[in-house]
Amino acid sequence: DVKVTQSSRYLVKRTGEKVFLECVQDMDHENMFWYRQDPGLGLRLIYFSYDVKMKEKGDIPEGYSVSREKKERFSLILESASTNQTSMYLCASRQGTTEAFFGQGTRLTVV
Amino acid sequence: QKEVEQNSGPLSVPEGAIASLNCTYSDRGSQSFFWYRQYSGKSPELIMFIYSNGDKEDGRFTAQLNKASQYVSLLIRDSQPSDSATYLCAVKAGTALIFGKGTTLSVSS
Repeated sequence: DVKVTQSSRYLVKRTGEKVFLECVQDMDHENMFWYRQDPGLGLRLIYFSYDVKMKEKGDIPEGYSVSREKKERFSLILESASTNQTSMYLCASRQGTTEAFFGQGTRLTVV
Repeated sequence: QKEVEQNSGPLSVPEGAIASLNCTYSDRGSQSFFWYRQYSGKSPELIMFIYSNGDKEDGRFTAQLNKASQYVSLLIRDSQPSDSATYLCAVKAGTALIFGKGTTLSVSS
């Protein structure tokens, strides 16, 4: 089974903190994605990566950055957390035209 | 901007009925389409994918694609209370998948 693992299930951070969300996949997928999911807004793409050290902005990249130093790991960074970044964050990976496999999600609360 | 539209619902059907979920997309060049199911508090999980015009059946689920109309649907036959969830339509746009906001389905016993 494909496994996508996110480092934390729940996180509480303070406004202004730098926050790292980690995601690891074990299927050698080229493509990895970070989405956030909010009630009424659905899944929105923040950033994605199609290869090591390669990244592309999604629909809502402002306030975020990403890092992909190894193929299996894709990190989402909140440079200075704000309350409007309180959300459910979902990491996904896929290969070619196949479906995306999702991690279990990280519920981030910024206070 | 490429868009995927779904009715938010809720769509309510009685147990044993057919539930019909619909999705439209804006990018005429899209080639791959996916339906995900998401239970409350859980991650999305794939139900079906479809690439070609027409119908694709898998058990109680049938996906229908009409590229000319830019329309994809999911039919759930013999709906069960366990089918109560949010259903997400996703369209491949380049490397990424673009998701609709989802339709909430409620199946009453």
